[in-house]
Amino acid sequence: GESVGLHLPTLSVQEGDNSIINCAYSNSASDYFIWYKQESGKGPQFIIDIRSNMDKRQGQRVTVLLNKTVKHLSLQIAATQPGDSAVYFCAGLGGSYIPTFGRGTSLIVHP
Amino acid sequence: DADVTQTPRNRITKTGKRIMLECSQTKGHDRMYWYRQDPGLGLRLIYYSFDVKDINKGEISDGYSVSRQAQAKFSLSLESAIPNQTALYFCATSEGFGSNYGYTFGSGTRLTVV
Repeated sequence: GESVGLHLPTLSVQEGDNSIINCAYSNSASDYFIWYKQESGKGPQFIIDIRSNMDKRQGQRVTVLLNKTVKHLSLQIAATQPGDSAVYFCAGLGGSYIPTFGRGTSLIVHP
Repeated sequence: DADVTQTPRNRITKTGKRIMLECSQTKGHDRMYWYRQDPGLGLRLIYYSFDVKDINKGEISDGYSVSRQAQAKFSLSLESAIPNQTALYFCATSEGFGSNYGYTFGSGTRLTVV
């Protein structure tokens, strides 16, 4: 089955810096990936997704990069703001189209 | 009103008690899911349902049961609660094979078993 994990449990950045959160996956058959943001006391919220036929996708202040060769994806947040402080999860979907979630990276933004 | 509503938001119960967590949605999605979240372990799938007549076990279904009463309602039961079922529980819905699979999560139920 899918195994998805993140490289770092906590990432601390200064306000205004760019943040990069990494994620590795094991199932080469995964063809769809999603990044979620979970704020304290709330459920995960969709941020951005990417299909396996793409290597980059951009949203508002966020970019997801997918490297299928090394089974790695990353979430880049530009000009990180205090409101970006949250736990970020990547999720991969294989043939069942049920996401398998990584353990999460806690992003802490210092003013 | 929230698209996916979970009740209760918080619950403390005693070991051995039966408890039901409820989830209702206004998204019109066919697919519904129950996840459990523990610190450092991310989200783990308990049960999922692709339509009213479909129920499937996830990776950690032991000790849990579910009921899909209608398209909009999916409840999770702990028949005899035990302390290691203390966790944050999330219900989610999805539209399946859409442009982003339309996953929407509820706000969670924090369950403590003492």
